[in-house]
Amino acid sequence: ELKVEQNPLFLSMQEGKNYTIYCNYSTTSDRLYWYRQDPGKSLESLFVLLSNGAVKQEGRLMASLDTKARLSTLHITAAVHDLSATYFCAVGVQFYFGTGTSLTVIP
Amino acid sequence: EPEVTQTPSHQVTQMGQEVILRCVPISNHLYFYWYRQILGQKVEFLVSFYNNEISEKSEIFDDQFSVERPDGSNFTLKIRSTKLEDSAMYFCASSELEFAGDPSNYGYTFGSGTRLTVV
Repeated sequence: ELKVEQNPLFLSMQEGKNYTIYCNYSTTSDRLYWYRQDPGKSLESLFVLLSNGAVKQEGRLMASLDTKARLSTLHITAAVHDLSATYFCAVGVQFYFGTGTSLTVIP
Repeated sequence: EPEVTQTPSHQVTQMGQEVILRCVPISNHLYFYWYRQILGQKVEFLVSFYNNEISEKSEIFDDQFSVERPDGSNFTLKIRSTKLEDSAMYFCASSELEFAGDPSNYGYTFGSGTRLTVV
């Protein structure tokens, strides 16, 4: 079974700061997804990364994929409170989910 | 925007009882999935379904679980004899045939989930 690890598991950051969430996975995959989940809510698709070196940006979030290193990053620029949520990466056709990173942005 | 609809949103059942969770996938989607998320934990794959049969299933999806597409719109997950540890949020998802349509739409669309509480 493909294993997907995220770090950190918990992240508390001040508004305006930058930070990166990491997603490592154990075997080769041709696709990686990032999802956001608010408490008690469903999963909201953020990014789909399909090739090595892929970079996608939406607002203050930027995701990248390095398939050789089996690593994806989700970079947060100038965080705002609205970004507080849990962020999951998911890998492969079956969507093996990472452990999630619970992000809290403090005013 | 098309949605995946799940009913009920909350279900409380007694241990040992059967439950059926219902999902209406997006109409032109062909792949269907069930996932579960125990409170505070990660999302876990249960089963994928295509062309009226299970295409893959995880170790979690044992004989107590079954899926069905009884008509052209619904996709159901049945748990025959619920256990306390089945308490979780269950998410349904659907996707188009792979590589069809907009390449940026390779992601799945998740429903809003059914919170199952077994007492």
